[in-house]
Amino acid sequence: EVQLVESGGGLVQPGRSLKLSCAASGFTFSDYNMAWVRQAPTKGLEWVASISYGGSNTHYGDSVKGRFTISRDNAKSTLYLQMDSLRSEDTATYYCASHRLGFSWFAYWGQGTLVTVSS
Amino acid sequence: DIVMTQSPSSLAVSAGETVTINCKSSQSLLSSGNQKNYLAWYQQKPGQSPKLLIYLASTRESGVPDRFIGSGSGTDFTLTISSVQAEDLADYYCQQHYSYPTFGSGTKLEIK
Repeated sequence: EVQLVESGGGLVQPGRSLKLSCAASGFTFSDYNMAWVRQAPTKGLEWVASISYGGSNTHYGDSVKGRFTISRDNAKSTLYLQMDSLRSEDTATYYCASHRLGFSWFAYWGQGTLVTVSS
Repeated sequence: DIVMTQSPSSLAVSAGETVTINCKSSQSLLSSGNQKNYLAWYQQKPGQSPKLLIYLASTRESGVPDRFIGSGSGTDFTLTISSVQAEDLADYYCQQHYSYPTFGSGTKLEIK
């Protein structure tokens, strides 16, 4: 059974940093491109970032480019999101998700971790 | 960025009725190379994470009931739910993956 388990969310002040993790199991993690997708409270879905299966290619949404960094450790089957210079508008539930083919649709999703940016 | 416009934003139907949700993209999602449309549909039940229903516009994900049908091509797409059941209460989102992913704004389905 595929499992994606996010952790690391919490309350953080504006301008500070936070690092999210996503532990994967039930599939060959190193074969798949991975992504972070977020959802602000009562709002829709927004793609944040994607990373290739080997980690060499990364892509970011305009709203986080230059502030967030996606990375992965295939030996640990873990995906990360380093979030710097956090803003109130980054408040959201952050989901870890796997792409199916290339950087395509999102086949599997974690349960999400809530990040609240507030003073 | 490709903008996805979804309609309606909400609808309420009785169990057993058929529902149609529309999704329009600001540019064509049809690949000239393989003639496939790069559009997916997701279901998000209250308090849960999204779940993939349909990919490549009309291919149902494994385990998804056949009452969920995706159709359309180019810039206009539809998710049809036939014989709606109480368990279909959820938000539904379209997503394009022709370029960097973007989602529609969602459709809230309520059961009368």
